[in-house]
Amino acid sequence: EAGVAQSPRYKIIEKRQSVAFWCNPISGHATLYWYQQILGQGPKLLIQFQNNGVVDDSQLPKDRFSAERLKGVDSTLKIQPAKLEDSAVYLCASSPGIHNEQFFGPGTRLTVL
Amino acid sequence: AQSVTQLGSHVSVSEGALVLLRCNYSSSVPPYLFWYVQYPNQGLQLLLKYTSAATLVKGINGFEAEFKKSETSFHLTKPSAHMSDAAEYFCAVSAEWGGGSQGNLIFGKGTKLSVKP
Repeated sequence: EAGVAQSPRYKIIEKRQSVAFWCNPISGHATLYWYQQILGQGPKLLIQFQNNGVVDDSQLPKDRFSAERLKGVDSTLKIQPAKLEDSAVYLCASSPGIHNEQFFGPGTRLTVL
Repeated sequence: AQSVTQLGSHVSVSEGALVLLRCNYSSSVPPYLFWYVQYPNQGLQLLLKYTSAATLVKGINGFEAEFKKSETSFHLTKPSAHMSDAAEYFCAVSAEWGGGSQGNLIFGKGTKLSVKP
């Protein structure tokens, strides 16, 4: 069974630029999560999808971050414009349902200069 | 609101020694608790989880954890450390869905485990 795929693995941009991350969950997984992991901290949930609907986006900085999962499969997370404090690893996870084990992708490491 | 506190950002043990990583949680509803491991440049991998069944939970790679409600703790242990155990370990809590949770995981700050030869 293929795992959660994320791309790119690394990205370096300058502040005020925009960036997008892509996630392809495990086939058949209805629930998809985006987490932000700042160096030295645990992952923090940004947004949770159930199929193509948003379950929780309470911690998503909506003035600059957006995410979509239009067909209920893969998802994109966008930052526009980026700030220095957005430097982090962005992790995507998927699970068969809301209360099942979450499977994590390798993450995208973003550096904002 | 749920929260997780991991005591000790760095733990160093000798190969063959006991591994003990501490985790305390706060939850107003019966919690689901998890331990994840993260190797460098990789995503998180589930080690074990507590879902209100047996209080002593056995996981992969010889790890286990004991849920102690009276102490609000879920410490991770392994009797004998291997070099391959060197990684960062995260404790997480997810509230039971009866309490209105959507299954989100709330993570601690992590504990980096070093294993000396």
